[in-house]
Amino acid sequence: EVQLLESGGGLVQPGGSLRLSCAASGFTFSTYTMNWVRQAPGKGLEWVSSITGSGGSTNFADSVKGRFTISRDSSKNTLYLQMNSLRAEDTAVYYCAKDGLNWGSYFDLWGRGTLVTVSS
Amino acid sequence: DIQMTQSPSTLSASVGDRVTITCRASQSISSWLAWYQKKPGKAPELLIYEAFILESGVPSRFSGSGSGTEFTLTISSLQPDDFAAYYCQQYNSYPLTFGGGTKVEIK
Repeated sequence: EVQLLESGGGLVQPGGSLRLSCAASGFTFSTYTMNWVRQAPGKGLEWVSSITGSGGSTNFADSVKGRFTISRDSSKNTLYLQMNSLRAEDTAVYYCAKDGLNWGSYFDLWGRGTLVTVSS
Repeated sequence: DIQMTQSPSTLSASVGDRVTITCRASQSISSWLAWYQKKPGKAPELLIYEAFILESGVPSRFSGSGSGTEFTLTISSLQPDDFAAYYCQQYNSYPLTFGGGTKVEIK
């Protein structure tokens, strides 16, 4: 079955760190650019970060640049998001999403999301 | 950055109604636009890409049109399963950006 399954969310204090994981199955993971997209409570969707299939190129939203790192392990078919210096405004459901084309396109497969809450 | 503006933000409609949602880009994005459906507690689902191409498995009552800066998503006959939020997204350039969303409610 083609699917994405996120994990690693939880409650963290401001200034803390968290690492999210996304396990992919049912498609050739190493071929596709992968992304993280988030949705804060009561808000819309916000693209966070992208990484190419090889892992050689990455891109970040200005709101997380310098604090978040994206990476992937093709031997484990897993995408990661390392989140440091977390702020209250990072509270959101984080979704893993697969690119429909190659680099910088639409998202044709999404996970169910993992909730990150930044609060003291 | 390319700003995406959706209207209306909320829409009240009845089963069987024809519904149209508009998405405007702050600069030309050619046809590099996608539409998604989002239900509470569920993952977003891709409906349309490249402005008008229906994703496999999506009912034909959904259609998309437009190019440049103005786009529309049309639901020809609203069904009970269609009450949800809808988002447009441009992929002309990074940063990838979404519209603010349109919530389709039961009238």
